[in-house]
Amino acid sequence: AQRVTQPEKLLSVFKGAPVELKCNYSYSGSPELFWYVQYSRQRLQLLLRHISRESIKGFTADLNKGETSFHLKKPFAQEEDSAMYYCALSGPNTGNQFYFGTGTSLTVIP
Amino acid sequence: EAGVAQSPRYKIIEKRQSVAFWCNPISGHATLYWYQQILGQGPKLLIQFQNNGVVDDSQLPKDRFSAERLKGVDSTLKIQPAKLEDSAVYLCASSFHSSGGALDTQYFGPGTRLTVL
Repeated sequence: AQRVTQPEKLLSVFKGAPVELKCNYSYSGSPELFWYVQYSRQRLQLLLRHISRESIKGFTADLNKGETSFHLKKPFAQEEDSAMYYCALSGPNTGNQFYFGTGTSLTVIP
Repeated sequence: EAGVAQSPRYKIIEKRQSVAFWCNPISGHATLYWYQQILGQGPKLLIQFQNNGVVDDSQLPKDRFSAERLKGVDSTLKIQPAKLEDSAVYLCASSFHSSGGALDTQYFGPGTRLTVL
């Protein structure tokens, strides 16, 4: 069965410190993976998707099929990065339905 | 462009009552999604429309939930009768492509927060 696991509900880092938000998945085949973000009082929005291999707001994520992980990383955290982050999975095996993790609340301490 | 609109933003009802939510997707978007997000959890897909047809409603509790998308534009989600465990934020999203997939982007509305007493 398809599943997305985000082991950390809460994560706090100091401004300027590196940050890594963990995401592990369960999927038979080649998944499509995404990170969504929700800033305070804003809508849930796409941050990045693995197929684009892009860097958005300094964040990157690498798909590791061996470890079935898609961790989100940023070398230097900023206060404006404080938000709720959701890892999501989709793909042909899910009928292109999205499965979201439970989310990680990131707080960047000034 | 205008974003996905939802109403109402908040609703409080008693158990066994009925409630309806409305969603207006971004103009031209073929696919519309309804998600349920219970406190402390990620969004869970309830139903997905492609134009005015249902693509996936496997996780919709059909004994009490119903949804329609007339004319392939606006959509309504109804709960009748509501239970305490239906308390959640109901999110509507839309995307341009009809086939979904890795390059499609879902745009979310602000959500409707439902409290069932």
